[in-house]
Amino acid sequence: EAAVTQSPRNKVAVTGGKVTLSCNQTNNHNNMYWYRQDTGHGLRLIHYSYGAGSTEKGDIPDGYKASRPSQENFSLILELATPSQTSVYFCASGGQGGQDTQYFGPGTRLLVL
Amino acid sequence: AQSVTQPDARVTVSEGASLQLRCKYSYSATPYLFWYVQYPRQGLQLLLKYYSGDPVVQGVNSFEAEFSKSNSSFHLQKASVHWSDSAVYFCALSRENSNNRIFFGDGTQLVVKP
Repeated sequence: EAAVTQSPRNKVAVTGGKVTLSCNQTNNHNNMYWYRQDTGHGLRLIHYSYGAGSTEKGDIPDGYKASRPSQENFSLILELATPSQTSVYFCASGGQGGQDTQYFGPGTRLLVL
Repeated sequence: AQSVTQPDARVTVSEGASLQLRCKYSYSATPYLFWYVQYPRQGLQLLLKYYSGDPVVQGVNSFEAEFSKSNSSFHLQKASVHWSDSAVYFCALSRENSNNRIFFGDGTQLVVKP
């Protein structure tokens, strides 16, 4: 079965600190995605990738960087965390077709104090 | 441009009752449409999807949805809900040649009362 894992599952960070959220997939999917989920906003796309070495900006990329060093791994980096980045972050992987399902990880709860 | 609207933020039904969660989309061509479910403190899981053919799509756990091009809708239905169906349900849209970008609605919280 498709598997997407995220680490850490919970994180408390300080304002101005650096935070790295990691995602690993064993589906051999080319595409990977980072979303954040906030009450009243559903899921919003931050960054995505078409394969190792590629990253693309999503709808809300400001304040975030992404890194895709391999097919399996996709990281989201907050260089200078702010309280407004407190949220639940989801990673997903999927095929390249419009009809392909995206498979989601369990999420990371980030609290920036 | 494309968008997905779920007009009901929260729906409450009694166990055993029927259910309809509404989804309207905006897109000039025929879209790919999905329903995902999110149980508490979990990621999203696919319930069902439509991309061609029969407009009534069967999904997991006895859910089904009907695509209507004339109404730009993709409503989710279930004949008899169980308390374990309590979750957040997301309608989503993708396009051909979109490289699998998915656009999500804001979700509907389903509460099933015993």
